[in-house]
Amino acid sequence: SYVLTQPPSVSVAPGQTARITCGGNNIGSKSVHWYQQKPGQAPVLVVYDDSDRPSGIPERFSGSNSGNTATLTISRVEAGDEADYYCQVWDSSSALYVFGTGTKVTVL
Amino acid sequence: EVQLVESGGGLVQPGRSLRLSCAASGFTFDDYAMHWVRQAPGKGLEWVSGISWNSGSIGYADSVKGRFTISRDNAKNSLYLQMNSLRAEDTALYYCAKAAHDSSGYYYASFDYWGQGTLVTVSS
Repeated sequence: SYVLTQPPSVSVAPGQTARITCGGNNIGSKSVHWYQQKPGQAPVLVVYDDSDRPSGIPERFSGSNSGNTATLTISRVEAGDEADYYCQVWDSSSALYVFGTGTKVTVL
Repeated sequence: EVQLVESGGGLVQPGRSLRLSCAASGFTFDDYAMHWVRQAPGKGLEWVSGISWNSGSIGYADSVKGRFTISRDNAKNSLYLQMNSLRAEDTALYYCAKAAHDSSGYYYASFDYWGQGTLVTVSS
């Protein structure tokens, strides 16, 4: 089955840039979506189709996808960005949705 | 305002059954595929099942195939998950989620709205 690998944690100082990777075999050929989940809350879609943002999501959130790695970039990080982040794809080979292992972003 | 409200969770013994419901409002329910996603305590997200707008296409995670059945009632704006032969490893918070774009199937979607979840605990 298709596997998406994320780093368990990323630490970043306020105002700096956080980059969260999502690794998968030829993931560049798939559409990648990213979710933010704060403690005790439901996930929130922050980037869809590799790099598009839903309405209401700040421009500080951006995405890219190429080769075997997709990346969620959070610019000018704020304390409120501290959360778990998950990538997600549809794997047509297995007809399954797959979520990444999740990355905890800590704002120092 | 889109709202998804899950219900039906609770404590159940292994081998027993439970039926989850999700009441939807604030959008045209029968235009969109719907999904169930679960999260075990302290763990990550796991897609459970999805259903197209007209119930014409349905999919399940391997971990629940043959035990869980997804369904919907467009007249009632409701989504369901019938869970049979429950196991301890099914213990999780179960979220109802809406596909972000209307399409014929349940595939290739991102999930733009989520409910707050209903907790299912399988234990003797």
